[in-house]
Amino acid sequence: SQQGEEDPQALSIQEGENATMNCSYKTSINNLQWYRQNSGRGLVHLILIRSNEREKHSGRLRVTLDTSKKSSSLLITASRAADTASYFCATDDSGGSNYKLTFGKGTLLTVNP
Amino acid sequence: ETGVTQTPRHLVMGMTNKKSLKCEQHLGHNAMYWYKQSAKKPLELMFVYSLEERVENNSVPSRFSPECPNSSHLFLHLHTLQPEDSALYLCASSQDGLGTSNEKLFFGSGTQLSVL
Repeated sequence: SQQGEEDPQALSIQEGENATMNCSYKTSINNLQWYRQNSGRGLVHLILIRSNEREKHSGRLRVTLDTSKKSSSLLITASRAADTASYFCATDDSGGSNYKLTFGKGTLLTVNP
Repeated sequence: ETGVTQTPRHLVMGMTNKKSLKCEQHLGHNAMYWYKQSAKKPLELMFVYSLEERVENNSVPSRFSPECPNSSHLFLHLHTLQPEDSALYLCASSQDGLGTSNEKLFFGSGTQLSVL
């Protein structure tokens, strides 16, 4: 699998439900980031978690990181129709370029009103 | 708005045309990036400039030619493209490097390019 690969590829839920997306990666990292993209638009940064952190919160977002399993999860609580978007995890490579983030293919989240 | 502006938003060009994509950032950042986003594929990093010097060139075909005249502007010059080059081209910036600085990327809205 590729660095920064999300699972599932697509997720459809009802408004008010929680949405969980997972990400796996291969190399050692300094940090892992989650981005959101509305259709046909640019990506927007949501949250960054450092390799020495296990959990981080921002509003309705909760991110976990397990460096032993090289995986992360993004939880969106009490979802809204406006949360409909694609979500990407992105990782750097602690042994590689300081300018390269590797993105996965993303999870397409649809929140039905 | 993210502070990163890309023009044009949409571009249709023939394989023999020459066109340029423009990106401008108003954030005072030192690094600027070009990414390519094709359907059902991960974002592909194309080029990175830091302080107007190219620091990454990810085996991009020579029909794509970047230019960074100053730290606020980035161009992608296109010539003799192929239909498979049709994609969303995204520009991004960051204050400095990403990994050890724990920096994030600020993206523009992209240019949707169609090559006929």
